[in-house]
Amino acid sequence: QSVLTQPPSVSAAPGQKVTISCSGSSSNIGNNYVSWYQQLPGTAPKLLIYDNNKRPSGIPDRFSGSKSGTSATLGITGLQTGDEADYYCGTWDSSLSADVVFGGGTKLTVL
Amino acid sequence: QVQLVQSGAEVKKPGASVKVSCKASGYTFTSYGISWVRQAPGQGLEWMGWISAYNGNTNYAQKLQGRVTMTTDTSTSTAYMELRSLRSDDTAVYYCARDLRGGSFDYWGQGTLVTVSS
Repeated sequence: QSVLTQPPSVSAAPGQKVTISCSGSSSNIGNNYVSWYQQLPGTAPKLLIYDNNKRPSGIPDRFSGSKSGTSATLGITGLQTGDEADYYCGTWDSSLSADVVFGGGTKLTVL
Repeated sequence: QVQLVQSGAEVKKPGASVKVSCKASGYTFTSYGISWVRQAPGQGLEWMGWISAYNGNTNYAQKLQGRVTMTTDTSTSTAYMELRSLRSDDTAVYYCARDLRGGSFDYWGQGTLVTVSS
């Protein structure tokens, strides 16, 4: 059972827009920055978004992040077949143990 | 360019230990921490802990306290993760990742498969 809650799967057609939600609590998302990662099959995760809404160099602006209260959202516009992957949100949890926590992951299917 | 290159796959018996290495290049090693993240087959990501490459300070996931040790060798820009008393549910791909800040990981190693089986 993951500390952060993501939908198991989302799907959309090429060219369309999709959003992936990530729900947490005041001890994690509510008071810490959120990151998003893309994991293509058989590869290591790749950082897409950090500090809630910043993109590392080389990440296209089709990818965006936002946060409100104890939830965060990843948006992907202009979907491409190459975007089919698992997406994970992550953040610090500043409860007793102060661990980094991840969502369970969302499988994006581009129909 | 920044690279993290990990050691090769391991097969271990239950109760044994494993030590995975992660050699960094392309940046000043001591300027960033290194986190270790594992992924069991078909499962999500699990953070294991963090080590400062600057002073060796560590922060381990509560679940793994007492079984995991993270170290660095600044002379070779290499980070190590040792996991002891291995169990079958420790079977996973283990990743090292550079800690950008606040739990964001901007560069990842290629992963090391550790299989625990009798």
